[in-house]
Amino acid sequence: ETGVTQSPTHLIKTRGQQVTLRCSSQSGHNTVSWYQQALGQGPQFIFQYYREEENGRGNFPPRFSGLQFPNYSSELNVNALELDDSALYLCASSSGAGNEQFFGPGTRLTVL
Amino acid sequence: GENVEQHPSTLSVQEGDSAVIKCTYSDSASNYFPWYKQELGKRPQLIIDIRSNVGEKKDQRIAVTLNKTAKHFSLHITETQPEDSAVYFCAARGTDSWGKLQFGAGTQVVVTP
Repeated sequence: ETGVTQSPTHLIKTRGQQVTLRCSSQSGHNTVSWYQQALGQGPQFIFQYYREEENGRGNFPPRFSGLQFPNYSSELNVNALELDDSALYLCASSSGAGNEQFFGPGTRLTVL
Repeated sequence: GENVEQHPSTLSVQEGDSAVIKCTYSDSASNYFPWYKQELGKRPQLIIDIRSNVGEKKDQRIAVTLNKTAKHFSLHITETQPEDSAVYFCAARGTDSWGKLQFGAGTQVVVTP
């Protein structure tokens, strides 16, 4: 198992609400990437944080935002939730933007 | 941007046989190709990776080959065991795409005893 942790494990929200997901990176890792994995599909890149700065973004709207803290933990915020936001949200930490990524267990978000 | 296609979507093999999963990528600048194994309800686990300056890499029963000219790479699992049953994802990363991994759609591997 990796040292990457995520909270909460599961979450149920209703359409229009806002959600915050959290990720603690593995010791020694300064980079966190966030992915959305819909059922039966591969993970889709949302964005990456390197030393507290956004370091790249995938094709997700601005209502998906994030933060990275001085201890390199990270948050993913999603505003105005839509039904299609229901998915497994994975974070992955690495020791640099271009190095191997190790995934956390994910947060299963259900939007009703 | 990078596009990764993965085949087959499902693969059934007898225990002890070999399994091969193939991926193609579109961005010739991609230089890093990891493979992840995801068991039901669990996190993707990095099982092997290869960089563009290497043609083949092995780790016990697992090997990955890369053909940069054809822009495809493959995962080979030999002497399959029931615990190899899982979904396998290939991914690719370009030189200018920071840490963004572009994943394939996954292959469900079922190893029957």
